[in-house]
Amino acid sequence: DIQMTQSPSSLSASVGDRVTITCQASQDIINYVNWYQQKPGKAPKLLISAATHLETGVPSRFSGSGSGTDFSFTITSLQPEDVATYFCQQYDDLPLTFGPGTKVDIK
Amino acid sequence: QVQLVESGGGVVQPGRSLRLSCAASGFTFSAFGMHWVRQAPGKGLEWVAIIWSDGSKRFYTDSVKGRFTISRDNSKNTVYLQVNSVRAEDTAVYHCARGTLVRAVPYNLDVWGQGTTVAVSS
Repeated sequence: DIQMTQSPSSLSASVGDRVTITCQASQDIINYVNWYQQKPGKAPKLLISAATHLETGVPSRFSGSGSGTDFSFTITSLQPEDVATYFCQQYDDLPLTFGPGTKVDIK
Repeated sequence: QVQLVESGGGVVQPGRSLRLSCAASGFTFSAFGMHWVRQAPGKGLEWVAIIWSDGSKRFYTDSVKGRFTISRDNSKNTVYLQVNSVRAEDTAVYHCARGTLVRAVPYNLDVWGQGTTVAVSS
């Protein structure tokens, strides 16, 4: 199985701060990485697909980068509505696997 | 709009069975693979199963093989998860998700439902 290591597990930042989350795959997954946002009691929402593609309707302050085994997700200017848990996920092969999540809140 | 709505969860005793359903709307259901993904309390996401758009292929995570069965009825725009011989570790919120094609396999999860809760307790 492909393991996804994600860090940090949590972070606290101020409104307007730049926030970066990293994800490392245990093998080369090319660019088959999604990033999701999940708020309590809600369905995960796809923000970034194929490592860098911003989904329709997602604010441009969200971005993704990386390829191979190392990926990152950035919020360029943190907003109060961005308080959530963020997950990376590989879809290169079954079983699909997820990072353990990063809980983001406002300082 | 594209929507997935799960149902069928509840409290179930160890060893018993239940069937989860996921009703789809707003898209051509028969054109998409479908997945189940679960999230145990306070834990991360765990992929459970996939079924191809025409039902021709199904795959499962190791921990549920032989106990869970994914199926679909394209005439009813619904995917199911039959959960047998439940264990305490099956306690989770179960989400269904739509799979879009990547390299001809429906592995990209682009739309998710809110989930239905299964609690295994004696």
